[in-house]
Amino acid sequence: AIQMTQSPSSLSASVGDRITITCRASQGVRSDLGWYQQRPGKAPKLLIYAASSLQSEVPSRFSGSGSGTDFTLTISGLQPEDFATYYCLQHYTYPFTFGGGTKVEIK
Amino acid sequence: QVLLVQSGPEVKKPGASVKVSCRASGYTFNSYGISWVRQAPGQGLEWMGWINPYNGNINYSPDFQGRVIMTTETSTSTAYLELRSLRSDDTAVYFCARVGYNTIPGGYWGQGSLVTVSS
Repeated sequence: AIQMTQSPSSLSASVGDRITITCRASQGVRSDLGWYQQRPGKAPKLLIYAASSLQSEVPSRFSGSGSGTDFTLTISGLQPEDFATYYCLQHYTYPFTFGGGTKVEIK
Repeated sequence: QVLLVQSGPEVKKPGASVKVSCRASGYTFNSYGISWVRQAPGQGLEWMGWINPYNGNINYSPDFQGRVIMTTETSTSTAYLELRSLRSDDTAVYFCARVGYNTIPGGYWGQGSLVTVSS
């Protein structure tokens, strides 16, 4: 199975900050990469699919980029509701695999 | 509106089986697949597989092959996840999600079902 490695595993930021989360695949996954947000005690929420396509009704401050093995999720102007854990998911080949997660905390 | 409502918490002994349900409403059930994802306490997300209610096609993660059975019942718009030979490390919240682009877990998720495996 393809291994997905996220970094950092956690970060502290302030409201209004711009942050970037990285996801690296153990082999190329083209642009078949998604990003999810999960708040404590809640189901995950799809933010981005196909590396850079914004899911319906997701704010434009979220953006994704990358292809092959290296991907980034950027949040431009953190809002209080953005403090959560973020996961990448490769959807290039079965079994789909998630990264280990990045927890975004309030500084 | 699209809703996925899952069954309640379960407590099972090691070696037993559990069957979690996911009842869909607000859309044509056969038009979208259902994916299953689990999350152990304090841990990350784990993709288990997905099922296409229209044609019955299934793809399981090899990590669960032989222990997991995904089914659907179109008459009640319900998807089921059965996990057999339970172990303590199967203790987790199990989520269903309607699949979206390229069969990934998409924009609609159930609320999660906690399965606890304990002797």
